[in-house]
Amino acid sequence: DTAVSQTPKYLVTQMGNDKSIKCEQNLGHDTMYWYKQDSKKFLKIMFSYNNKELIINETVPNRFSPKSPDKAHLNLHINSLELGDSAVYFCASSHGEGRAIFGPQHFGDGTRLSIL
Amino acid sequence: GIQVEQSPPDLILQEGANSTLRCNFSDSVNNLQWFHQNPWGQLINLFYIPSGTKQNGRLSATTVATERYSLLYISSSQTTDSGVYFCAVKNSGGSNYKLTFGKGTLLTVNP
Repeated sequence: DTAVSQTPKYLVTQMGNDKSIKCEQNLGHDTMYWYKQDSKKFLKIMFSYNNKELIINETVPNRFSPKSPDKAHLNLHINSLELGDSAVYFCASSHGEGRAIFGPQHFGDGTRLSIL
Repeated sequence: GIQVEQSPPDLILQEGANSTLRCNFSDSVNNLQWFHQNPWGQLINLFYIPSGTKQNGRLSATTVATERYSLLYISSSQTTDSGVYFCAVKNSGGSNYKLTFGKGTLLTVNP
């Protein structure tokens, strides 16, 4: 009965590779997010989508490309991975309408990405 | 953008003690949430509390939006309460459509 599930949990790969992280939510939410948590535990939003429409695109290298095939899924593809991309990436979801967000956000368990 | 400051940055307690964590923010908000990140890294939503007071078991939270702060109370702490507690807010004006997180309070509860 996982509410927000993301795969894989761990991702270890070489510099320069391309990888994807998948996220799905079964809460009926219409807004989904990607966050990056660095080694100092600081959480920063990267992207948000509302009903498949990109709402927030923070200052993120264009090597990162989100894709939302429907409002229950938000995937993250990363090209040409660099050492600085090592972090934990969290998917989250909440209710929302357009650019407004309502109510609590629920997070997946995170994907720990390590670049060798 | 809105600034979020949490205090204290670190807190060590003996099991059974009570504690209060504070979150100050620099602008008016219409969304405020408290999260617990456990030692396994999972982020759990504790409270959605843009104003007022809520209680859930040993935890309660109060937000005084007019004075721009929120408090999280933990009573009779247990070792499973250990982890990082984050406050996150969204300001109610302008074009800011995201939650901004504080740097967190690292809580260690010793047996």
